[in-house]
Amino acid sequence: DAGVIQSPRHEVTEMGQEVTLRCKPISGHNSLFWYRQTMMRGLELLIYFNNNVPIDDSGMPEDRFSAKMPNASFSTLKIQPSEPRDSAVYFCASSWGAANEKLFFGSGTQLSVL
Amino acid sequence: AQTVTQSQPEMSVQEAETVTLSCTYDTSESDYYLFWYKQPPSRQMILVIRQEAYKQQNATENRFSVNFQKAAKSFSLKISDSQLGDAAMYFCASGAQKLVFGQGTRLTINP
Repeated sequence: DAGVIQSPRHEVTEMGQEVTLRCKPISGHNSLFWYRQTMMRGLELLIYFNNNVPIDDSGMPEDRFSAKMPNASFSTLKIQPSEPRDSAVYFCASSWGAANEKLFFGSGTQLSVL
Repeated sequence: AQTVTQSQPEMSVQEAETVTLSCTYDTSESDYYLFWYKQPPSRQMILVIRQEAYKQQNATENRFSVNFQKAAKSFSLKISDSQLGDAAMYFCASGAQKLVFGQGTRLTINP
């Protein structure tokens, strides 16, 4: 298995633009998590899905952020409009079951909003 | 709310020596799990060790072991025979349905 695949690896955009981050979880995993990592705030859970259904989105910072999981093999995190303070590394992770099982992380997307 | 605290932003150790990274947590959940993840410069998050809170026995994975003190809500990581490849950020995490991570400890290995 190729592991959790995220794209793009790097994204540079201008303030106000729409940004879409993509994630393909490991086949067979039924839980998917989106995390954001910054120096100031560390790793923050944004949202997680179980069986493609959003379970907890309390970490989504504001309405500019949205996440979808249309099927078991694909998820997106969208920021519209983007702002400089959104600059961070965004990780997707998947697991079989809840997070108390082993989380497999993707390589992350480094987002820079100018 | 769950919180995880790593009080050591940075640690260093001589190669082949032993180092212990500290972690304390707070949770209202009765059934939860504890983890240590490693993040090398490649940015990839790698699971180091996992502990079920209901188990009294401390988890061990080769050179990595934990000291789990449930009453004190403490979960430290001991790395024995440190190697240059152990240099990374180490994150402690706690949770059940979702994980909360600490701020991390940057570990440097001195040759």
